[in-house]
Amino acid sequence: NAGVMQNPRHLVRRRGQEARLRCSPMKGHSHVYWYRQLPEEGLKFMVYLQKENIIDESGMPKERFSAEFPKEGPSILRIQQVVRGDSAAYFCASSPSLAEGAGELFFGEGSRLTVL
Amino acid sequence: KNQVEQSPQSLIILEGKNCTLQCNYTVSPFSNLRWYKQDTGRGPVSLTIMTFSENTKSNGRYTATLDADTKQSSLHITASQLSDSASYICVVSAIGGGGNKLTFGTGTQLKVEL
Repeated sequence: NAGVMQNPRHLVRRRGQEARLRCSPMKGHSHVYWYRQLPEEGLKFMVYLQKENIIDESGMPKERFSAEFPKEGPSILRIQQVVRGDSAAYFCASSPSLAEGAGELFFGEGSRLTVL
Repeated sequence: KNQVEQSPQSLIILEGKNCTLQCNYTVSPFSNLRWYKQDTGRGPVSLTIMTFSENTKSNGRYTATLDADTKQSSLHITASQLSDSASYICVVSAIGGGGNKLTFGTGTQLKVEL
């Protein structure tokens, strides 16, 4: 049973370009979360999605960032017109249910974005 | 404001020795507390999850304790191995949500040396 798959693992973009990060949850998991980790900081929640629905995007910057989890295919975190401050590791996690506190949460290996 | 503070920030120990990592939190209302291990360049991996009613939980050489009254938790690692070198992250969940209601500590960076 494959774990949470994220790609690309590393992505380099120049300022103003777009970054697309993909996440395939574990089989049978319908809850997907995206987090951002800056150096020397803890993970910060960005967005929570279920299939075709955004449940909570309170942690997502209002501009340039968007996320989706279509009926078919992986969840995508999209960052438009990237700036140097967007450089970070972006982690996706999935869980099988909405047990209190998400129950067991499984993380992917992360996508490391570097903006030149 | 919900906060999770971990200490020490970093720690170096010799292989075979024990160590204890600390976590203090102010998350309310409390649901559960988790410890994760994050190897450099990898994603976090769950070690333990404890609810309000659990005082201690073990996973191999890892033992976590929880004092919900003082809002403190500890992670004890016994007979450390080189592979234990990693960041250990304390995460607290608030009632009423899923992974969107988690507050992450900044981690304790553990290095195990020969």
